[in-house]
Amino acid sequence: AQTVTQSQPEMSVQEAETVTLSCTYDTSENNYYLFWYKQPPSRQMILVIRQEAYKQQNATENRFSVNFQKAAKSFSLKISDSQLGDTAMYFCAFFAFGNEKLTFGTGTRLTIIP
Amino acid sequence: EAGVAQSPRYKIIEKRQSVAFWCNPISGHATLYWYQQILGQGPKLLIQFQNNGVVDDSQLPKDRFSAERLKGVDSTLKIQPAKLEDSAVYLCASSPRGKLAKNIQYFGAGTRLSVL
Repeated sequence: AQTVTQSQPEMSVQEAETVTLSCTYDTSENNYYLFWYKQPPSRQMILVIRQEAYKQQNATENRFSVNFQKAAKSFSLKISDSQLGDTAMYFCAFFAFGNEKLTFGTGTRLTIIP
Repeated sequence: EAGVAQSPRYKIIEKRQSVAFWCNPISGHATLYWYQQILGQGPKLLIQFQNNGVVDDSQLPKDRFSAERLKGVDSTLKIQPAKLEDSAVYLCASSPRGKLAKNIQYFGAGTRLSVL
């Protein structure tokens, strides 16, 4: 079974600063995807970024980028030039091809301070 | 493109009552998921449908929860009778099949259930 751990329950940062959210996972699978989802107060989970395990290059989406360390089973999210609209819960998630399940971490509540 | 639609947004019931949630996935998405998200936790998969067939319901408490997806489109999740510990947000998600799907799930806004 896969497990996803987010060790930072809450974080806050000043607007325009950079923040990094941590995520580690445990799996015996070799082929999988990793995701970061954002959940604002509206509750709708929104995909932020996706990483395929077989790709060495770290994924980037505008101000969002990841640091994927496969050997260390680490998948952190960096948000650059943070904006007030980035305030939300952020969930790290693991998708295994073996069972095609999406396993979520417990989330990090991020607050951007004006 | 319309997103995943869920209703109602909120529901308050007393324990031992029954409740039903409705989900309309994105048009053309073959796979539909129901998740339970308890406050302070990440979503937990309850059941997964592929078209109108159940792929995985191993985490569904079948003594009180049931779900169906008629005609492979809309889905309904029912709880009967509800317990206090069922208080949570119930999220529906859908995903297309095929290489272009990239295993991305698209979520609705969820239904917040409070059991008193």
